[in-house]
Amino acid sequence: AQSVAQPEDQVNVAEGNPLTVKCTYSVSGNPYLFWYVQYPNRGLQFLLKYITGDNLVKGSYGFEAEFNKSQTSFHLKKPSALVSDSALYFCAVRDWDSGGYQKVTFGIGTKLQVIP
Amino acid sequence: NAGVTQTPKFQVLKTGQSMTLQCAQDMNHEYMSWYRQDPGMGLRLIHYSVGAGITDQGEVPNGYNVSRSTTEDFPLRLLSAAPSQTSVYFCASSFTSGITNEQFFGPGTRLTVL
Repeated sequence: AQSVAQPEDQVNVAEGNPLTVKCTYSVSGNPYLFWYVQYPNRGLQFLLKYITGDNLVKGSYGFEAEFNKSQTSFHLKKPSALVSDSALYFCAVRDWDSGGYQKVTFGIGTKLQVIP
Repeated sequence: NAGVTQTPKFQVLKTGQSMTLQCAQDMNHEYMSWYRQDPGMGLRLIHYSVGAGITDQGEVPNGYNVSRSTTEDFPLRLLSAAPSQTSVYFCASSFTSGITNEQFFGPGTRLTVL
């Protein structure tokens, strides 16, 4: 069965510093990985995805993520954090289930707090 | 495009009542799904649909029904509400059922069952 782990409930970072939000995954086949962001009282918004190819994926709002197959990780990064980046971040993996339909598994989310 | 819309935004029910959460998308997406979001549990898939007339169960389907008579609409029905169904419900869609597609989410419905 596929799974996603976000080991940190909350990450605090000072404005202007680099940030990392961690995600590890487990899938039986090829990993299709996604990051979403949720601002308060809003739905999730897509940030970026890894399908194949370059291990460094660039996405919206200056975010990027590094895919590491050997460590089964897909950490979200940003070189310089903004206060407006404060939100809840979800990692997700998409795969086929035994019935031939796709299944999406989300992590529990990591709250990012950027301190002015 | 309005994207994915959900109604109502808020709802309070008494135990045993039934209701339908509405979801619509205007992007001609094949794949639609319903999630519930609970603190400390992330998003859990309730039901999904890979096209009009085709639905299937997700991770937590008990107590919920869905139908997909059109490409645009994917309502979620609570048959007999229970306090355990207090949650925030999100509808999502993606262009196809291909697993490389990102999902677009609605703004959510916050449901309280007393």
